[in-house]
Amino acid sequence: AQSVTQLDSHVSVSEGTPVLLRCNYSSSYSPSLFWYVQHPNKGLQLLLKYTSAATLVKGINGFEAEFKKSETSFHLTKPSAHMSDAAEYFCVVSATNTGFQKLVFGTGTRLLVSP
Amino acid sequence: DTEVTQTPKHLVMGMTNKKSLKCEQHMGHRAMYWYKQKAKKPPELMFVYSYEKLSINESVPSRFSPECPNSSLLNLHLHALQPEDSALYLCASSQLDRANNEKLFFGSGTQLSVL
Repeated sequence: AQSVTQLDSHVSVSEGTPVLLRCNYSSSYSPSLFWYVQHPNKGLQLLLKYTSAATLVKGINGFEAEFKKSETSFHLTKPSAHMSDAAEYFCVVSATNTGFQKLVFGTGTRLLVSP
Repeated sequence: DTEVTQTPKHLVMGMTNKKSLKCEQHMGHRAMYWYKQKAKKPPELMFVYSYEKLSINESVPSRFSPECPNSSLLNLHLHALQPEDSALYLCASSQLDRANNEKLFFGSGTQLSVL
């Protein structure tokens, strides 16, 4: 079965400092992995996705993630945090290969950004 | 148009009421989804429709009844709900893609309170 584990429930950073949100995956085949962000009282927005074309994936708003098969990790990073980055971040794996997506969400990491 | 529109944004209902949640997209997506998100929890898949046919029902109680009347619309009919059904209900859509890496477009959700 496909699953993801987000290692931190909360991460606190200061504005302008780097962000690291950690995610490990478990998959019986080459996974499709995503990072989604959810701002308060909002729906979910895709930050980036891993498609196996490149291990370093660049997303929106300066975020990127690196797929490391040897470590079964897909950590999300950003060089410099902005106040607007404060939100809930979900690491997600797709659990089907039948065309439609059956997304399995991690438990989420709340990113707090202080001035 | 890259939006998934959900109505209503908020809904309060009693346990004996019948109500419906609506979702609409005009991106030509042939997969549509209902997710349930309890407070401070990740979204959980409820139903998936592909080509207007129910493809996945994640053992959801029968008091939730989905309907996909055409390729642009997805409804969730609610009847005799319980207070524990209070949650954010998210609709999403995606292309059908065997490579399994098409992103989901999420609506902003309906915040449901059952009294």
